[in-house]
Amino acid sequence: KAGVTQTPRYLIKTRGQQVTLSCSPISGHRSVSWYQQTPGQGLQFLFEYFSETQRNKGNFPGRFSGRQFSNSRSEMNVSTLELGDSALYLCASSQTGQAYEQYFGPGTRLTVT
Amino acid sequence: GQNIDQPTEMTATEGAIVQINCTYQTSGFNGLFWYQQHAGEAPTFLSYNVLDGLEEKGRFSSFLSRSKGYSYLLLKELQMKDSASYLCAVSSNSGGYQKVTFGTGTKLQVIP
Repeated sequence: KAGVTQTPRYLIKTRGQQVTLSCSPISGHRSVSWYQQTPGQGLQFLFEYFSETQRNKGNFPGRFSGRQFSNSRSEMNVSTLELGDSALYLCASSQTGQAYEQYFGPGTRLTVT
Repeated sequence: GQNIDQPTEMTATEGAIVQINCTYQTSGFNGLFWYQQHAGEAPTFLSYNVLDGLEEKGRFSSFLSRSKGYSYLLLKELQMKDSASYLCAVSSNSGGYQKVTFGTGTKLQVIP
């Protein structure tokens, strides 16, 4: 069974631009969660999608948004990028939700200059 | 809100035993996870405790005390490959669904 995949793996953007990250979960998994990881803050929860609906949301500004498609693939969008958005963005999939074992993708390393 | 505390760094010797502690404060607690993350890699699941007590899985064991808001991860017979960050994460009820909050992680260095 293929693992969680994320594209692109690395990205360099300029302040003010927007970016879209993609995550393909493990086949059969309906829950996809997104996290931001920085050295100082650790893993911070962005949002969770389940069957195309946002089920939970963390404390991030509205510049961060996401969606999930019928095949469970998910995208995350960040608009009006700021230097502080530089981070590793991880997505994780599970069969039913965050309360169960999550499988993480390799992440997208975003650098904002 | 939620608060999860774990030591930032620990060092231990190859072959020894190390205990990584995690304390938490949360409402609607459901369970506690431990994940391992090697540098530059994604976190991988180690354990999930729902009830009080010790759960053993090979060289790794995880303990939970819900009344004390306390958990620990015990690593025995340490190997160099155990050098990694260990993330404590709490599952709790949020708006009718389960939500997981991660601690900032404990970076473990295993030395010869």
